Amino acid sequence: QVQLQESGPGLVKPSETLSLTCTVSGASINSYYWGWIRQPPGKGLEWIGYMYDSGRTNYNPSLTSRVTISVDTSRNQISLKLSSVTAADTAVYYCAREVSLAATYGMDVWGRGTSVTVSS
Amino acid sequence: SYELTQPPSVSVSPGQTASITCSGNKLGGKYVSWYQQKPGQSPVLVIYQDNKRPSGIPERFSGSNSGNTATLTISGTQAMDEADYYCQAWDSTTATYVFGPGTKVTVL
Repeated sequence: QVQLQESGPGLVKPSETLSLTCTVSGASINSYYWGWIRQPPGKGLEWIGYMYDSGRTNYNPSLTSRVTISVDTSRNQISLKLSSVTAADTAVYYCAREVSLAATYGMDVWGRGTSVTVSS
Repeated sequence: SYELTQPPSVSVSPGQTASITCSGNKLGGKYVSWYQQKPGQSPVLVIYQDNKRPSGIPERFSGSNSGNTATLTISGTQAMDEADYYCQAWDSTTATYVFGPGTKVTVL
């Protein structure tokens, strides 16, 4: 059974870099596509970006200047870094798995999410 | 950038049919996924490739997609179906995803 677990600091100061990790169990990172999605309090889902092929990425155009998604295959982990954060980046951050891109099969496995608050 | 629109809310009586629409330019030419999210929980995929149900999703969930509108239909709606529902599509121009704003389904 595939499981995803997000982790990282729950509190980040404005202007700093948010760093999160998604640990994958039950599946090889090399075999799937992996995405990050966030949800501000009381609001809808926002797609952040995806990674595949152990390093190929694409990002939401509204975030591309601040976001980096990377992989540590030895630990079966995907990382998210978001720089120069503001209060608008306060959200629950989810990682999710896809079998293929272009919404062909959807995001079929999601982590429980990790809440991040941006505040001084 | 590509945008999707959904009605903010839909109300339905138990046992009746709920229809949730998702609109976007030439959406019928793209694959649409639908996600259910209950309060405090992670989203769950309920429909992919417009009309396919993942294993474990009840048959009362169905989908269609044509023209500019995709529709998620819940037949014989149950109290447990009360949740937020989000559509998702692929913007081939930028190779990125977009989510709709979500629809809150209330079972009265």
